[in-house]
Amino acid sequence: ETGVTQTPRHLVMGMTNKKSLKCEQHLGHNAMYWYKQSAKKPLELMFVYSLEERVENNSVPSRFSPECPNSSHLFLHLHTLQPEDSALYLCASSQGIGGDYGYTFGSGTRLTVV
Amino acid sequence: GNSVTQMEGPVTLSEEAFLTINCTYTATGYPSLFWYVQYPGEGLQLLLKATKADDKGSNKGFEATYRKETTSFHLEKGSVQVSDSAVYFCALLNSGGSNYKLTFGKGTLLTVNP
Repeated sequence: ETGVTQTPRHLVMGMTNKKSLKCEQHLGHNAMYWYKQSAKKPLELMFVYSLEERVENNSVPSRFSPECPNSSHLFLHLHTLQPEDSALYLCASSQGIGGDYGYTFGSGTRLTVV
Repeated sequence: GNSVTQMEGPVTLSEEAFLTINCTYTATGYPSLFWYVQYPGEGLQLLLKATKADDKGSNKGFEATYRKETTSFHLEKGSVQVSDSAVYFCALLNSGGSNYKLTFGKGTLLTVNP
């Protein structure tokens, strides 16, 4: 148990579906992140939230919509995805942003878009 | 901008062999450097870190030394085990200002055979 829990672990969705990924941490961290991990590519930072406010939207298509209702929970809402969006989506948290805070990662959601 | 370059994998070793995974970086300022490990089916876990030049990070028999003169942070282990089989990511974080993003390398897959 890493302290960051992601659900579901696996998700298969059609291109017209709407689904949501969930991330939860009870580490008392104030910052949360979404990363996309595709085969043979570096991890791509998608979104950053600090104290429930979005501080980064890294040119992510609007078919990905994040939500951070409180400092312990982070969602990624998905709609009308493309097959190239199939990847491992990782959530992470840290005590704060900046400096050398270590990140704690969840186990990820393996998403397949068919 | 910031970037991290890791040696291409996969790396295949026999148990008890010596491991080196090269990592070099490009960054402005004085970044903190990290190695993360991802075991099969899991998220990333922080393995070790170093926050300033000449610091040595160590954990579980792994070591890496922050070399500013060669902009490197090579990962080493004297005697690998089968359980070390995983993907290893080098990463940097620039401290100060609003630059709080972890920049990752592409990862190096290590397979250790009995």
